[in-house]
Amino acid sequence: AQRVTQPEKLLSVFKGAPVELKCNYSYSGSPELFWYVQYSRQRLQLLLRHISRESIKGFTADLNKGETSFHLKKPFAQEEDSAMYYCALSGLIAGGTSYGKLTFGQGTILTVHP
Amino acid sequence: EAGVTQSPTHLIKTRGQQVTLRCSPISGHTSVYWYQQALGLGLQFLLWYDEGEERNRGNFPPRFSGRQFPNYSSELNVNALELEDSALYLCASTRTDTQYFGPGTRLTVL
Repeated sequence: AQRVTQPEKLLSVFKGAPVELKCNYSYSGSPELFWYVQYSRQRLQLLLRHISRESIKGFTADLNKGETSFHLKKPFAQEEDSAMYYCALSGLIAGGTSYGKLTFGQGTILTVHP
Repeated sequence: EAGVTQSPTHLIKTRGQQVTLRCSPISGHTSVYWYQQALGLGLQFLLWYDEGEERNRGNFPPRFSGRQFPNYSSELNVNALELEDSALYLCASTRTDTQYFGPGTRLTVL
């Protein structure tokens, strides 16, 4: 079974402060982890995926298989980072090379105050 | 590149009615996923279509069904609507492993 847990429903920080959104997962196979972001009145969009190891909009996330975590971090938060953030997991299809459905966490609403 | 499109944007139905939602994937994408985003329940996987076939379905009753057409567009049908079906229905498409989402259809059941 796949499970994603985002322990914080709400997170508030001030502009310029570091921010960390927590994500823990449970999956017996080889997972692929994603962070999606939903800004106000916009569609859900991909922020980053662990396999690409990119830094997008100053955000990074490292997959820690030992702790089964994929926390999202940014050293200096900006007001435009205020949004809903979802951590998601996709599992490798048994016997295949492709991934299937996404299992989402409950989301964390990040508010960055001026 | 045009993104995933969904129609209608929103609609209102009454209990017991039937509804059809539509999704057009990004050009070149062959897989379409449907998710339900209900208040308080988060995003839940509904259905997955790939190359015209249903590959997987989530923990939803059979009155949720759909299909994928030869051009890879997809429909989600919900029969015998219930109040708890009120939600935002999201469609996503992919060619590999990254899913790209549409804006959703907001369904309200009265």
